[in-house]
This record gives sequence, C-alpha cells and structure tokens, in this order.
Amino acid sequence: QVQLKESGPGLVQPSQTLSLTCTVSGFSLTSYNVHWVRQPPGKGLEWMGRMRYNGDTSYNSALKSRLSISRDTSKNQVFLKMNSLQTDDTGTYYCTRDIPHLALWFAYWGQGTLVTVSS
Amino acid sequence: DVLMTQTPVSLPVSLGGQVSISCRSSQSLVHSDGNTYLHWYLQKPGQSPQLLIYRVSNRFSGVPDRFSGSGSGTDFTLKISRVEPEDLGVYYCLQSTHFPPTFGGGTKLELK
Repeated sequence: QVQLKESGPGLVQPSQTLSLTCTVSGFSLTSYNVHWVRQPPGKGLEWMGRMRYNGDTSYNSALKSRLSISRDTSKNQVFLKMNSLQTDDTGTYYCTRDIPHLALWFAYWGQGTLVTVSS
Repeated sequence: DVLMTQTPVSLPVSLGGQVSISCRSSQSLVHSDGNTYLHWYLQKPGQSPQLLIYRVSNRFSGVPDRFSGSGSGTDFTLKISRVEPEDLGVYYCLQSTHFPPTFGGGTKLELK
C-alpha cells in the first residue's frame, strides 16, 4: 500500500528556513519520483520540485533559488528545504508520487502539512 | 509556463444533476510523443487532491463512470453525471505535457 506522510515544524518565522520531511512506505524511492506541491490557504496548487528515482532533482524556476530537495533512501525519506520564507509561503505542503508507466506525476498524495510563516 | 484557465469558478448543482467544467490551456497540450497529459483532480473539503481522470479521458482506479473527460489540443471538459454528495469539492485540471506542470485555478462544485 502506497503511503506518503509529510512532517514539519508547523510554524516558521519570516526569513527563516523551512525543513519538511516526506516519509514513504509501500514503494522504493529508487523506483519512483516524489514531488512537492504546495497550496496557500483557500487557493490553488503549485508544483515546487521533484526528486527523481535516480537522485536527480528539478525545481520550479520561481522557487529554484530558495529550494533544495534531497533524500535518504535508507530511511525512505525525501526532504524539502526552502530558505528566506515570507508570509506568502504559508500553506499546506504535500508530497506526491508518480506512476511512471502512465506518465502520471501526481497519482498518490500525502495528507499534507500546514506551514504558517509568522513572527 | 502554461496557463490553465478553468470555468466556471463556482458551480451550483442539485444532487442527481449533471455538470460540466471547462479547462483551457494557453498552448497545445499534445506532447511530442503524441499523448496529451491533461488530468483532473478533486479536492474534497479538508482532504488532499485525488486523481480522477488522467490523459484526458481515462478514469483512475476506483473512479465511478459518472465522471468522464474529453477534449483535445487546448480545450478540455470534465463531465459529472448523477451528482452525489461525495462529489462536492474543488476540481482542478493539471497539465504535465510542458515543464513545469501547472494547475488550473479550480472550480468549486457546491449544492444549490
């Protein structure tokens, strides 16, 4: 059973760095791509970046200068770090997994973790 | 980036009724491999988005046949027939033909 679960601090101060963890089960990180998608409160969805099965990463150009995605395959975890946080970075952050043979980027989703940027 | 425009923003419906949601892209979503990577999601209140339709017209596992997708090029439609209470929420289209993938702004399906 494919599962993804996000975890993180909940509250981050402006200008600080956000660190989130996506812990997966039911599949191997060396076989599937994992993406990060975020959603401001009451608004739409934005793709942030991905960790590919082979360890390569891709980022949304709008966030690329602030964003880093890494992983620990032994712990089945993918990490997101984003610096210089501002209030408009407040929102729910999701990790998602693809289905490669269908070329489906966001087939399975975690429950999401709410991040509030506030002093 | 490809701009995805959904209409309407809000869609009142009666249970048992039928509705259509439109999604238009700023450029063709036909990939060089011949496929069209346009997908539909439903986000129920307080939940993560869930995949309904992939590649224009294919229902994902477990999705009832009340949901159907159609379209080509830049113009796509999601139809929901015999609307049930569990269908209420916000619907999003997504294109993954072009990098980066981009979502529509959403259509909120709500009871009249």
